[in-house]
Amino acid sequence: QQPVQSPQAVILREGEDAVINCSSSKALYSVHWYRQKHGEAPVFLMILLKGGEQKGHEKISASFNEKKQQSSLYLTASQLSYSGTYFCGTESSGGADGLTFGKGTHLIIQP
Amino acid sequence: NAGVTQTPKFQVLKTGQSMTLQCAQDMNHEYMSWYRQDPGMGLRLIHYSVGAGITDQGEVPNGYNVSRSTTEDFPLRLLSAAPSQTSVYFCASGQGSMAQYFGPGTRLLVL
Repeated sequence: QQPVQSPQAVILREGEDAVINCSSSKALYSVHWYRQKHGEAPVFLMILLKGGEQKGHEKISASFNEKKQQSSLYLTASQLSYSGTYFCGTESSGGADGLTFGKGTHLIIQP
Repeated sequence: NAGVTQTPKFQVLKTGQSMTLQCAQDMNHEYMSWYRQDPGMGLRLIHYSVGAGITDQGEVPNGYNVSRSTTEDFPLRLLSAAPSQTSVYFCASGQGSMAQYFGPGTRLLVL
């Protein structure tokens, strides 16, 4: 069952912040975040393993609440290069099955 | 390293034809998978493999076969193409629960 992402789309001005949420109905082992630009392959951003850790990558960070089966991706002081579609991928067991992706969140950054 | 490579980049088939989408990786990853991407649906898992000789079904396996005779290669076979299989196909590889690296994709049109 696909995780649910929200919002479906968001339009920001350069420099504004954004939060993308990912929620699953199943117990999760890990949550992956990917960004895809139009016509290209998804690119790995970060992975969060169960344990409630928060990770950061430049001005992009994420959190994982395993009890609530939710993860959030935070984009701070957004740049034009952040535009694209963001996908969360969830995994219920440690490497034993595939990732199940959400339908994506379209992020548009305007100058 | 070439990473994950996919061939062909584009393909047009007639209904009922069969074909094989090739996927290869040179990173010695045990885990490989195939996804299809359709507008508004995100990435859906077709088949995956946790190592040579081991394959398993994902979310949407009907109409597709896979095999994994070597660590490097993971071909996807369409047995009898149908218009519903028109999609963009991505192959990915990784080490267990770690980051998944996606190939550039194959765009398939079935008439």
